[in-house]
Amino acid sequence: QVQLQQSGAEVAIPGASVRMSCKASGYTFTNYWMHWIKQRPGQGLEWIGHINPSTDYTEYNEKLKDKATLTADKSSSTAYMQLSSLTSEDSAVYYCANWDGGFAYWGQGTLVTVSA
Amino acid sequence: DILLTQSPAILSVSPGERVSFSCRASQSIGTSIHWYQQRTNGSPRLLIKYASESISGIPSRFSGSGSGTDFTLSINSVESEDVADYYCQQSDSWPIFTFGSGTKLEIK
Repeated sequence: QVQLQQSGAEVAIPGASVRMSCKASGYTFTNYWMHWIKQRPGQGLEWIGHINPSTDYTEYNEKLKDKATLTADKSSSTAYMQLSSLTSEDSAVYYCANWDGGFAYWGQGTLVTVSA
Repeated sequence: DILLTQSPAILSVSPGERVSFSCRASQSIGTSIHWYQQRTNGSPRLLIKYASESISGIPSRFSGSGSGTDFTLSINSVESEDVADYYCQQSDSWPIFTFGSGTKLEIK
């Protein structure tokens, strides 16, 4: 079965960067784009961007494109997202997800807390 | 950008009642709408795709309808386990996806 296992919670100071991972299993990693979605505390869902793990082609939400950088490692079936120049606005849970006519599969989320 | 407006923000119903969630798009999007359930501290779960298509493993009491700009998710005979936030999401503007702001379902 498809599983997306995300890395653990991160605490970072303002201005720093964090990198989180999403390890895929149960399917061929290069067959599905990997998406990333942000959810601030008590707020709704915001699509960040996606990566084609086969070609490393990426597309981003224009509003967030200078914040996030998506990469993928085919050898380990793992997708990564780096968030840079962190501010309090970046404190959120970040999900990876696969599209299969809807976001059919989700990771458990990585909580990022930005605090001085 | 395509905006999705969900209303109301909170719905409160009694067990066994039928409940409907509304999602309105700022422009016509055909049937490119998908519905998710998110329980407290959980990841979202896909309930309905392309407005009305069912998802394997999702109870049959969940159904979707609509096209163009107005969409509805219905739960026939609400159960206590249905307490959650419900989001709609559009894929008409692929690869740019947007979500609605969500509706919270409470059980009386």
